[in-house]
Amino acid sequence: KQEVTQIPAALSVPEGENLVLNCSFTDSAIYNLQWFRQDPGKGLTSLLLIQSSQREQTSGRLNASLDKSSGRSTLYIAASQPGDSATYLCAVPTGNQFYFGTGTSLTVIP
Amino acid sequence: DGGITQSPKYLFRKEGQNVTLSCEQNLNHDAMYWYRQDPGQGLRLIYYSQIVNDFQKGDIAEGYSVSREKKESFPLTVTSAQKNPTAFYLCASRRDQFWAFFGQGTRLTVV
Repeated sequence: KQEVTQIPAALSVPEGENLVLNCSFTDSAIYNLQWFRQDPGKGLTSLLLIQSSQREQTSGRLNASLDKSSGRSTLYIAASQPGDSATYLCAVPTGNQFYFGTGTSLTVIP
Repeated sequence: DGGITQSPKYLFRKEGQNVTLSCEQNLNHDAMYWYRQDPGQGLRLIYYSQIVNDFQKGDIAEGYSVSREKKESFPLTVTSAQKNPTAFYLCASRRDQFWAFFGQGTRLTVV
């Protein structure tokens, strides 16, 4: 069974800092990896999807990387803003299922 | 607009009652999923369906039931056999190996 781990569980940074969120997975037989954002009491919003053939994917201030061989993905957020405060989850589709990490709760302090 | 709609947003259940959570999508996605989210925990898969009239149990299916009579709809019933149903429930859909889309969730509380 796929195990997905996210480190750190919580992160607090001052506004303007660049930061990195980590996601690791145990089964490298994946065809993509997806990063989501979740605001309190809300559903999940898709941020980035990286295909297994890609190494990076960028959207605005967000950059996600994928290293299948080591079972790792990182989400880089540049010039963080208070509006970035949320929980960030990575998800790995394996077989017919999605496996989620427990998320990183990010707080950006103005 | 295309998307996934979950209803209701808040639901209260009395002890011994069955309740049904609605999930409808107009994205023409084949696969649909139900997840449960508890505070401080990740999402746990309850049931998923790859095609109409077919569905599979996830990791925590006990006390839940689903149906998939239409491609657009995947309702989840929380039965009285589920002893600890208070949680946030999320529905998702996906087409092949592409983006997964989520609804806004239903918060179920036992009263």
